[in-house]
Amino acid sequence: GENVEQHPSTLSVQEGDSAVIKCTYSDSASNYFPWYKQELGKRPQLIIDIRSNVGEKKDQRIAVTLNKTAKHFSLHITETQPEDSAVYFCAASRNTGFQKLVFGTGTRLLVSP
Amino acid sequence: KAGVTQTPRYLIKTRGQQVTLSCSPISGHRSVSWYQQTPGQGLQFLFEYFSETQRNKGNFPGRFSGRQFSNSRSEMNVSTLELGDSALYLCASSSGSAGTQYEQYFGPGTRLTVT
Repeated sequence: GENVEQHPSTLSVQEGDSAVIKCTYSDSASNYFPWYKQELGKRPQLIIDIRSNVGEKKDQRIAVTLNKTAKHFSLHITETQPEDSAVYFCAASRNTGFQKLVFGTGTRLLVSP
Repeated sequence: KAGVTQTPRYLIKTRGQQVTLSCSPISGHRSVSWYQQTPGQGLQFLFEYFSETQRNKGNFPGRFSGRQFSNSRSEMNVSTLELGDSALYLCASSSGSAGTQYEQYFGPGTRLTVT
């Protein structure tokens, strides 16, 4: 079945440090991997995504890497800032044309000043 | 472009009642997906509609249903509410044509509390 595992469940870092969140997916047919940031009481916001034909993608301080062989993908945030504090969700989706995302369980990131 | 909107934002219902939630996608988007978010189960896929047709359905009981109108607005209905249906219900819109995955953008959600 489809399953996405996400670790760690909580992550505390000091401002300026890097943060890494890791996800593993079970469905080998998955080929689209978005990451969402959800602040308290707010909607999930798409922050970056990657498709299976790409190994790495960067957008300023955030990057995502994908290892298709190991079925792992990771979110990297550099130079963390207090406003990065939120819950981050990874997700995976098959290329069936159906817009169905299978989400990880979320990582609560706390960036302390 | 205006973002995804959902109404109402908050709802309190009693067990056994039914509820209808509404979602208006981003202009030009034809796909609307619905998700349930709870502290225990996280974000779970309910169903997806594209051009008024349900294309995919998650593992939820038949009490959960939905529909989509010709203007791409979507509604979901939950009948015979149970306490466990208390959750944040999120809809997401995307371009959603067949054959590839598109970015999904979420609405603010409807917070449903069942008492």
